[in-house]
Amino acid sequence: SQQGEEDPQALSIQEGENATMNCSYKTSINNLQWYRQNSGRGLVHLILIRSNEREKHSGRLRVTLDTSKKSSSLLITASRAADTASYFCATEEQGNNDMRFGAGTRLTVKP
Amino acid sequence: NAGVMQNPRHLVRRRGQEARLRCSPMKGHSHVYWYRQLPEEGLKFMVYLQKENIIDESGMPKERFSAEFPKEGPSILRIQQVVRGDSAAYFCASSSDSYEQYFGPGTRLTVT
Repeated sequence: SQQGEEDPQALSIQEGENATMNCSYKTSINNLQWYRQNSGRGLVHLILIRSNEREKHSGRLRVTLDTSKKSSSLLITASRAADTASYFCATEEQGNNDMRFGAGTRLTVKP
Repeated sequence: NAGVMQNPRHLVRRRGQEARLRCSPMKGHSHVYWYRQLPEEGLKFMVYLQKENIIDESGMPKERFSAEFPKEGPSILRIQQVVRGDSAAYFCASSSDSYEQYFGPGTRLTVT
């Protein structure tokens, strides 16, 4: 079954604004990953945060993980039109290492 | 270092035919995962393989679907006697351990 659930399902912002996407999950995890998918292309791995980490940065990306709430957020600061894409979170479950993806958030950044 | 390769990128099959999807993992990666993405839905896990072994096939339909990852060569996802409901994008991913996965561009299967 689906594990990660992103919200919102769709987000539209102006260039320069920050975009925040959230992901919730249900089981215990080893790590949580965020991916980007541009239309018609494969997923691009953005960032991985392990279950014992609380926050991670990569360029304009900031990911937080709250294992007590089973949730994560992805913040993109100073967004650009090129950030327009679908963003997926994925969790690796403890025990079986299965990967579970959510349905994604469609981000549109208007120039 | 080439990324994960999948071929063909697009595959059209008539109902009842067989579909073979290939995935070449990144160099040095011995773990392969297959996912299916139906339109407007998230990726769904199908199977996890290491060289010559199926580790987890809990997401695989019980019939018509099979996967292998031989010692030499790409991983193959095989769908026998395809039906229209099999039309989807099939992504594979590879990793060097059980952590970060790198995805291929996907194969879009259309069953007519």
